[in-house]
Amino acid sequence: DAKTTQPTSMDCAEGRAANLPCNHSTISGNEYVYWYRQIHSQGPQYIIHGLKNNETNEMASLIITEDRKSSTLILPHATLRDTAVYYCTAGYSTLTFGKGTMLLVSP
Amino acid sequence: SQTIHQWPATLVQPVGSPLSLECTVEGTSNPNLYWYRQAAGRGLQLLFYSVGIGQISSEVPQNLSASRPQDRQFILSSKKLLLSDSGFYLCAWSVHGTSGSPTPSRHIYNEQFFGPGTRLTVL
Repeated sequence: DAKTTQPTSMDCAEGRAANLPCNHSTISGNEYVYWYRQIHSQGPQYIIHGLKNNETNEMASLIITEDRKSSTLILPHATLRDTAVYYCTAGYSTLTFGKGTMLLVSP
Repeated sequence: SQTIHQWPATLVQPVGSPLSLECTVEGTSNPNLYWYRQAAGRGLQLLFYSVGIGQISSEVPQNLSASRPQDRQFILSSKKLLLSDSGFYLCAWSVHGTSGSPTPSRHIYNEQFFGPGTRLTVL
């Protein structure tokens, strides 16, 4: 599994877009990029995944650079309930989760 | 729909005591199953995964073991708990692709669904 690097924490104002970056420079060609989030004391929740192309679903958008060495998770209109730890992970058969980014959404 | 159950939700155990945590999945068959541990202030650490009954792969050597006695049942055990075993234990499942593989299947993607977790405190 590729090693991922994320900022420890980020702040975002409610209603604004939250852009969470992730570096995965050692990613191999067949490894997907996954994003999960974990609200305090709960199990992680899947958000989105991608391989090469940008992806969008009802929760977020995923932008993957052309060289696939980094990606950005975008929450277009952050709400207070989006406060959580966001994990970026890349893998094929198993996933390795780092410490993630603690996103704090404030009023 | 698929659901994943873990129990107990919380557990306090003395050092040296045994451990048994159970995870069951409903609504799917032949899933890949995973045990993770999250220590305080740390990320998720993959402990074990299983691609089928009786097939267990260990990611980290430790005093823990896992078993899969039934298709949708995954058990995490220890004969003697250590203080360092304290943490938040999470079970997860993912769709299984090809059967008979000794390693997690090379599926199109590996979306994992997590259970509610068990918070273990070893005193």
